[in-house]
Amino acid sequence: ILNVEQSPQSLHVQEGDSTNFTCSFPSSNFYALHWYRWETAKSPEALFVMTLNGDEKKKGRISATLNTKEGYSYLYIKGSQPEDSATYLCAFLRSNTGKLIFGQGTTLQVKP
Amino acid sequence: NAGVTQTPKFRILKIGQSMTLQCTQDMNHNYMYWYRQDPGMGLKLIYYSVGAGITDKGEVPNGYNVSRSTTEDFPLRLELAAPSQTSVYFCASSYWGQGADNSPLHFGNGTRLTVT
Repeated sequence: ILNVEQSPQSLHVQEGDSTNFTCSFPSSNFYALHWYRWETAKSPEALFVMTLNGDEKKKGRISATLNTKEGYSYLYIKGSQPEDSATYLCAFLRSNTGKLIFGQGTTLQVKP
Repeated sequence: NAGVTQTPKFRILKIGQSMTLQCTQDMNHNYMYWYRQDPGMGLKLIYYSVGAGITDKGEVPNGYNVSRSTTEDFPLRLELAAPSQTSVYFCASSYWGQGADNSPLHFGNGTRLTVT
C-alpha cells in the first residue's frame, strides 16, 4: 500500500498571506512527484512534475521543493490571492510502474 | 485539439445496472488512467494502462473492468452498479518514455455518476 499524505487538510488565509503545504510519500523507489491545482467543478491541472532530489520548481507566485531521501515535498504560495483558492493535490510515482497515486489534497481558501 | 474526452458527462443508474464510461485521447499518449473522486479523499486510482493491450489494477479496482485495445481508447465498465460507486470519474492520460519521463497527466472533464 502506498501512503501519500498531505497536510494540512484545509487552510484559510487572508489575501496577501504566504502559505505552504506538505506532501509526504515513501522514500524508497522514488520516480516522480506531481503537483496539481484543482478548482471546484473543473478538472485538475498540472503545476509541477519533479524527479530529482533537491528539485525546485517555480510558476509565478507558486513554487515547490522536493526531498526524495526523507520523502516530502513542499508547495509554497507567495502573496495568496482569492483566485488561488482551490484544492492542491500531490501524486507519487514509485519506480517506473506508471502507477500514480494521489494524496487526499489540501483545500486552500483565500479571503479578500 | 480535443485532448481527453469523456462521455457521458452525467448518468443515473439503478442498482444492478451496467454501463461503460468512455474515454478517448488524441495526443498519442501511451499511459491512461481512471480515477474516482471520493469526498475528502482526493482521487483514487481504479485502473491504469501503460499501453495498448496492457492494464493493471489501481487502489480501488473492485466492481470495475477496463480494456485497452487501442492507444486512443480506455473504457471503464461497471457490471453491477452499487450505491458505493456514486462518484465523479476522471480519465487521464500522459506520455512516458525516454526523454519525456516528466510528462504530467492531462485530465478529461469527468463523468458524474449516481447509482440509486
